[in-house]
Amino acid sequence: SYELTQPPSVSVSPGQTARITCSGDELPKKYAYWYQQKSGQAPVLVIYEDFKRPSGIPERFSASSSGTVATLIISGALVEDDADYYCYSTDTVGHRVFGGGTKLTVL
Amino acid sequence: EVQLLESGGGLVQPGGYLRLSCTASGFAFTNFAMNWVRQAPGKGLEWIAAVSGSGATYHADSVKGRFTISRDNSKNTLYLQMNTLTTDDTAVYYCAKDLGPGRSGFDYWGQGSLVIVSS
Repeated sequence: SYELTQPPSVSVSPGQTARITCSGDELPKKYAYWYQQKSGQAPVLVIYEDFKRPSGIPERFSASSSGTVATLIISGALVEDDADYYCYSTDTVGHRVFGGGTKLTVL
Repeated sequence: EVQLLESGGGLVQPGGYLRLSCTASGFAFTNFAMNWVRQAPGKGLEWIAAVSGSGATYHADSVKGRFTISRDNSKNTLYLQMNTLTTDDTAVYYCAKDLGPGRSGFDYWGQGSLVIVSS
């Protein structure tokens, strides 16, 4: 079955740039999406179709995709960005998959 | 304003069944595929099922044959019938709306419905 691989944790100090990667063999052909989930809350879409930002999402959230790796970038991370982040994509037969999640600590 | 409201969660014994509902408002329900995503305690997100606007269904291998997704477009409601439940099915179940016709990714989520499978 298709898998997306994320690092379990990333840690940055406030004001630094956080980068969270997501690896998957089908990412060159399929879009990546990124979700933020704070404790006890439903996930929130922060990036869709590789690099697009929904309305209401701060500009410090951006993303890139190159080959089999998609990257979420949080420029000038704030304490409020401390959360779990999940990538999501599909494979060529339509299976929908989340990455295992990355715990971002901003401290 | 898009709203998704789940209901039907609760405590059920192993081997039992439960039906979750998700009532949608604020968008043209028929035009969008809908999904169920679950999250076991302390674990990550797991997509489990999707249904297109016209009713075509897709289920993850982990629930195929036990869970059935469906929708009633006249009631703007999404369902998840869960049978033969095991303790591994204990999770918060979210309904989520696809980004757009033919576009995967979930732009709106419900608040979640907790299902506990325990004797």
